[in-house]
Amino acid sequence: EPEVTQTPSHQVTQMGQEVILRCVPISNHLYFYWYRQILGQKVEFLVSFYNNEISEKSEIFDDQFSVERPDGSNFTLKIRSTKLEDSAMYFCASNLRGLDEAFFGQGTRLTVV
Amino acid sequence: KQEVTQIPAALSVPEGENLVLNCSFTDSAIYNLQWFRQDPGKGLTSLLLIQSSQREQTSGRLNASLDKSSGRSTLYIAASQPGDSATYLCAADNYGQNFVFGPGTRLSVLP
Repeated sequence: EPEVTQTPSHQVTQMGQEVILRCVPISNHLYFYWYRQILGQKVEFLVSFYNNEISEKSEIFDDQFSVERPDGSNFTLKIRSTKLEDSAMYFCASNLRGLDEAFFGQGTRLTVV
Repeated sequence: KQEVTQIPAALSVPEGENLVLNCSFTDSAIYNLQWFRQDPGKGLTSLLLIQSSQREQTSGRLNASLDKSSGRSTLYIAASQPGDSATYLCAADNYGQNFVFGPGTRLSVLP
């Protein structure tokens, strides 16, 4: 069964460093998302991406964040200069159409020290 | 802005019981509502999607209903099993854009 895959599963980085989180969405899907979940809190929307551009972003998604689809399969989230408060589980999701069932990956646990 | 709440926050039941998890949302003009399961430290597994034109969806022992007018959805789990122990999240779309998640209900099914 097709699935969304994310790498790495866990990343530890020092404050101020850049990190790139990687996702391979389901191959025929057209809409891609990043969400995050700080430990013990709700899952929060970060950004949606369609047709090679950001279609929507939340207040969390400031200038420190960027997304890219560098090739036909990968979808990445870059955090330019990580802060302690960026520590969270980051989830990638995709769906075929924007209002369809969304499929989530297993997440990348980012720890900023 | 869409807001989603879930009650109860936690639930503990003996194996075999039928149970209901509740989800409420503030903006009734939703397109979709989706239920997920999350195991500790893991990702989100999609359980059921209910579109606005539907009143319920069923998958195995799970049945989800949607009442847009009252801003509520319920997830019914029949004949619960210890393997059903997890956190259950509901998510409603935010004006047809992204999903807004509730805080979840943490379910424990005791053998």
